[in-house]
Parts: sequence; structure tokens; C-alpha cells
Amino acid sequence: AQSVTQLGSHVSVSEGALVLLRCNYSSSVPPYLFWYVQYPNQGLQLLLKYTTGATLVKGINGFEAEFKKSETSFHLTKPSAHMSDAAEYFCAVSHRNQAGTALIFGKGTTLSVSS
Amino acid sequence: GAVVSQHPSRVICKSGTSVKIECRSLDFQATTMFWYRQFPKQSLMLMATSNEGSKATYEQGVEKDKFLINHASLTLSTLTVTSAHPEDSSFYICSASRTGGETQYFGPGTRLLVL
Repeated sequence: AQSVTQLGSHVSVSEGALVLLRCNYSSSVPPYLFWYVQYPNQGLQLLLKYTTGATLVKGINGFEAEFKKSETSFHLTKPSAHMSDAAEYFCAVSHRNQAGTALIFGKGTTLSVSS
Repeated sequence: GAVVSQHPSRVICKSGTSVKIECRSLDFQATTMFWYRQFPKQSLMLMATSNEGSKATYEQGVEKDKFLINHASLTLSTLTVTSAHPEDSSFYICSASRTGGETQYFGPGTRLLVL
């Protein structure tokens, strides 16, 4: 069975500082991994995904994540935080059931950015 | 792009009534659609997976007679909350994926409040 653990329910950074959001996964099969962002009262927007190939994945808004199989991790980073990055971030792993491939989400990390 | 819409965005209903939520893929055909539920400050929990033309696959603990899902076409899935009660109040989010695709595209969500 697949699962996702996001370390730190809340991360606070200053504008311009490095953003690091941690995600560890558990999967019995090669995982597909995703990071989504959610703004208040909105749906989820895909930031980036890893399926196969290059382990360093670049996404939108300057975010990137690196798949490390040995560490079962898929941490999300951004070199310089912007005020508009304040949101809820979810890491997810694909989960194949009888009907299709759904997503198993972590509990989310709230990112706060201060000026 | 891949756009998914939900209607309504917000609904308030009386206890005992039924509420239908629509999920549409606007610019692509979605073989598979997913319904999630999100409580305040929590992650998304998969409720069910629906494939066009077949019965939905429900996750453990989700009452299929209470949460009726219909996926009548490649662009539309509906979730009907039957005999709604206050504990059904939540944020319901759908997602859709293309045939053979691993990426899910999320709708903006529907906030249900049952009085």
C-alpha cells in the first residue's frame, strides 16, 4: 500500500529565503509522485510530477523537487520565496485501484511567507 | 490546458435533502474521474473512482448509497449526497484524468453546508 508523510504541518519563511517542504513516501511499486498547491477555498493546482527519467523535476513558479529512491523522499524546494507562495502544499503518490489510478495525499504543509 | 469545472461552487441545504454536484472536464475527455472530500485544515480523502459507463469504485468506509456517483459521459461525473446531514458538510473536490494519463486535474471544489 502507498502512503505519504509530510514532515512539518507548518513552515514559515521570510520573503527571499529558501523554501523546503519535506515529503517521504512508501510504495511497493515504482511510484509516481506529485506536488500540488491549494489556495484558500480553491481546488488543487499541479506544481510538478515525477514519473520516470530525470530525478530532478522542475515545475511551475520556480519550484522543483528531487526524487531520491534511497531516501524514499520527494522534497519540494524553491530558492527564493515570494509572498504569493503562501498556500497549502500537498505531496501525493499514485495509487492504483481496480478502477484507475487515484492519488494518496499527505496531510499537507501550510507555507507562510513574511516580508 | 486541462480544465475541470465544478458546479455549484457553494451550496447550503437543509438536513434531509439531496444535493447534486457536477464535475466537468471542459477541454479533454476524462475516462476516469475521482471524488475527494476535504475537511477544514485537513488533507484530501479519496471517496470514489468513477469510470465512464461503469459503476464507481468506492473507498472503504464510504457509503455508496449515500454518495451516489454517476459518470454518464466522458466529460461529466456527478456526485449526489442523498439525505444530507450536518456531518456531510465539507469541501468536495473532483479530479479527472485523460485516458492512460497519470496526472489528475482538479476542479475548484464545492463547499457543502448542511443546516
